[in-house]
Amino acid sequence: QSALTQPPSASGSPGQSVTISCTGTSSDVGSYNYVSWYQLHPGKAPKLMIYEVSQRPSGVPDRFSGSKSGNTASLTVSGLQAEDEADYYCSSYAGSNNLVFGTGTKVTVL
Amino acid sequence: EVQLLESGGGLVQPGGSLRLSCVDSGFTFSSHTMTWVRQAPGKGLEWVSGISASGGNTYYADSVKGRFTISRDNSKNTLYVQMNSLRAEDTAVYYCAKDRGSAFPKWGMDVWGQGTTVTVSS
Repeated sequence: QSALTQPPSASGSPGQSVTISCTGTSSDVGSYNYVSWYQLHPGKAPKLMIYEVSQRPSGVPDRFSGSKSGNTASLTVSGLQAEDEADYYCSSYAGSNNLVFGTGTKVTVL
Repeated sequence: EVQLLESGGGLVQPGGSLRLSCVDSGFTFSSHTMTWVRQAPGKGLEWVSGISASGGNTYYADSVKGRFTISRDNSKNTLYVQMNSLRAEDTAVYYCAKDRGSAFPKWGMDVWGQGTTVTVSS
């Protein structure tokens, strides 16, 4: 199972929006609404930001939103803040009891 | 506060074995699927293995199938992974994580540990 494809980097100024794509296939992202997004800060435990494509866990700011179209899922961070600078990974159920992560995107707040 | 705490990482020679543990200090351990996810140096996240809430079903990535064994002791709120026939490519930070569901870990992992480092080298 190949990793989902994400852009290596994305950036925006404080207050702006940034959107990260996560491209899979019809066997994973395209077939299931089990896409999650995780935020990784160096030295800290990963944090779940979005589950089931567009659901936000309690405590996650509503600046974070998720969506999906066909084989591509997206995470949008609106109103960028300095603390949003981190690595972001998507994941998707891929059938046959398999889970695949994305290649990861480093978000920089300019 | 820290809810999941991994231990057992270290330096091991190729072909060697290691057992990682993950203790959950919360109150819902036995109701949730638990997983191991790893991140090799400079690489992305990789799902390694999962185990259903009851422990009756286990799941493995192809890269570790036949070499790793996941297990859990719900009476001790503890998750394990026995790693045998270790290879250099198994070198990574290993995270344990709690899934929102109770079967295959596809519902989103909402609690993570800080990770434990495994280095496979001679």
